[in-house]
Amino acid sequence: EAGVVQSPRYKIIEKKQPVAFWCNPISGHNTLYWYRQNLGQGPELLIRYENEEAVDDSQLPKDRFSAERLKGVDSTLKIQPAELGDSAVYLCASSFGALNTEAFFGQGTRLTVV
Amino acid sequence: AQTVTQSQPEMSVQEAETVTLSCTYDTSENNYYLFWYKQPPSRQMILVIRQEAYKQQNATENRFSVNFQKAAKSFSLKISDSQLGDTAMYFCAARIQGAQKLVFGQGTRLTINP
Repeated sequence: EAGVVQSPRYKIIEKKQPVAFWCNPISGHNTLYWYRQNLGQGPELLIRYENEEAVDDSQLPKDRFSAERLKGVDSTLKIQPAELGDSAVYLCASSFGALNTEAFFGQGTRLTVV
Repeated sequence: AQTVTQSQPEMSVQEAETVTLSCTYDTSENNYYLFWYKQPPSRQMILVIRQEAYKQQNATENRFSVNFQKAAKSFSLKISDSQLGDTAMYFCAARIQGAQKLVFGQGTRLTINP
């Protein structure tokens, strides 16, 4: 069974440019998370989807970040325009069902803004 | 707000030794789950072990076990007979009923020396 797939794995852009990250969760997983992980720190939740509905986006900087999850499957996270402080690893995860189920993570996208 | 705290930024032990990683959390909820994740240099988060808050018995998975002290809100991970492949970042995480999101600690960088 394929795991959570993210692309690209690495991205280098100049500040003020737009960037997008893509995530394909595990088939059948209704919950999808986007996390940002700064160097040497733990992941911080940006947005959580239950199917196609964003149920927790309180930590998403809405002035420059946007996300969508079409048809409750794949998801895209966009930054426009990117700032130097956006350099981080962006992790996507998915899970199914109850509170005790683990979240499965992709390998992340390392974004460098120069 | 729920918080997870890991007070050991780095730890280092010799191969075959036993090591314990500390984690404390804060929540007013009674129903929650606790997890330890491992993140090797490949960046992919891998579940090591999970603990249900309503269970008094500590979870074990082969060489990995936890010491769950609910009253103290403590959740430490013990790795026995440590191996070189255990070298990684370890994150403690909590998933709490109601909020549902997975909240991570800051991580502990564990190095197993030959």
